Amino acid sequence: GENVEQHPSTLSVQEGDSAVIKCTYSDSASNYFPWYKQELGKRPQLIIDIRSNVGEKKDQRIAVTLNKTAKHFSLHITETQPEDSAVYFCADGGSNYKLTFGKGTLLTVNP
Amino acid sequence: NAGVMQNPRHLVRRRGQEARLRCSPMKGHSHVYWYRQLPEEGLKFMVYLQKENIIDESGMPKERFSAEFPKEGPSILRIQQVVRGDSAAYFCASSPRGEEQFFGPGTRLTVL
Repeated sequence: GENVEQHPSTLSVQEGDSAVIKCTYSDSASNYFPWYKQELGKRPQLIIDIRSNVGEKKDQRIAVTLNKTAKHFSLHITETQPEDSAVYFCADGGSNYKLTFGKGTLLTVNP
Repeated sequence: NAGVMQNPRHLVRRRGQEARLRCSPMKGHSHVYWYRQLPEEGLKFMVYLQKENIIDESGMPKERFSAEFPKEGPSILRIQQVVRGDSAAYFCASSPRGEEQFFGPGTRLTVL
């Protein structure tokens, strides 16, 4: 991956609402896009990933969509809970799985 | 199956000293990646290694930094003659095939 833009940088939602985080990438050869959740002082945790041969992937309350033509992918969290509060990073695995990360989104879920 | 392990978790060095960071990948994982995270920033790729080979070191500073992943033992990230700007959290990640990367708890390096 060459460059990854991530928006928004901060996001505040009420418990039960949905949260959407968007990323764009520039490397046409990229074919792997993971999302990580990082709580303060902790390790990044892989929460979901998508490969270029699919457009959408879902795992319970989390879903990721990919638009290869437009070079963007998004994370959707439904029915948010306070424990979803963390920094979320998107990443572009390029063609050799060397991850290029976005700058992160601080998600706050208010009870 | 133990997760990725890193030690030490915290390391304090004075300017000019050497820092050695260790990473033991998950069992069965032969791909290791090192990333650096500055305060309130994202993670930046440093180096990608497989056993006894450096695959991609395009993110490593040209001087003072080196990495290895020997046939036996953990991967080592070595920083010589540390400077204040080296203060950061250093994470390693391991992968069975190069795709899903699982991160260790990180080493927080502070240079006084």
